Amino acid sequence: DGGITQSPKYLFRKEGQNVTLSCEQNLNHDAMYWYRQDPGQGLRLIYYSQIVNDFQKGDIAEGYSVSREKKESFPLTVTSAQKNPTAFYLCASSSDRGYEQYFGPGTRLTVT
Amino acid sequence: EDKVVQSPLSLVVHEGDTVTLNCSYEVTNFRSLLWYKQEKKAPTFLFMLTSSGIEKKSGRLSSILDKKELFSILNITATQTGDSAVYLCAVSHAGGTSYGKLTFGQGTILTVHP
Repeated sequence: DGGITQSPKYLFRKEGQNVTLSCEQNLNHDAMYWYRQDPGQGLRLIYYSQIVNDFQKGDIAEGYSVSREKKESFPLTVTSAQKNPTAFYLCASSSDRGYEQYFGPGTRLTVT
Repeated sequence: EDKVVQSPLSLVVHEGDTVTLNCSYEVTNFRSLLWYKQEKKAPTFLFMLTSSGIEKKSGRLSSILDKKELFSILNITATQTGDSAVYLCAVSHAGGTSYGKLTFGQGTILTVHP
């Protein structure tokens, strides 16, 4: 089955700890994206990558970091510098830039 | 600053009603407009619109884009309880390193009562 997987589904962390969210796709898509969703605010772009070993900051990159060492994988690290990390995080991919994006099931991160 | 605005923010209807969801945008380097449906977790793709005035249809859902007035509408006829979801509008950018990037609106929460 082709698709995008994110793990874990739920994640709880203490303030001050870094945490890494996993995103894997077997759709052979070149482009991958990370979004954050808060209630009433839609989706906001954190980082995106159009090709392996290259990525760009989105609209709210501060306090986050990514890597793209393999085509299939685009992990997101939420660092302790992110002031308000509690949110629903969605990963997406597309076959080429400008085409529709397909989303993973999301990870709900709670930081206390 | 790029902006995508959806209205209404929430809507409650009864089964069988017809609804119209609105999406207006102000973005640099417009490429296309996309509609997604989000029920619990992952948004699922509905439509991608690139040309003005051409209606896209899928069952009871249809959508059209007006590139002169910078808006799109999503119509759902004969609504069912299974249509209850958040409907997201997004604009895809063209040009440079922003190519393919999506800017989303806040979403419209649709609730369909039996």
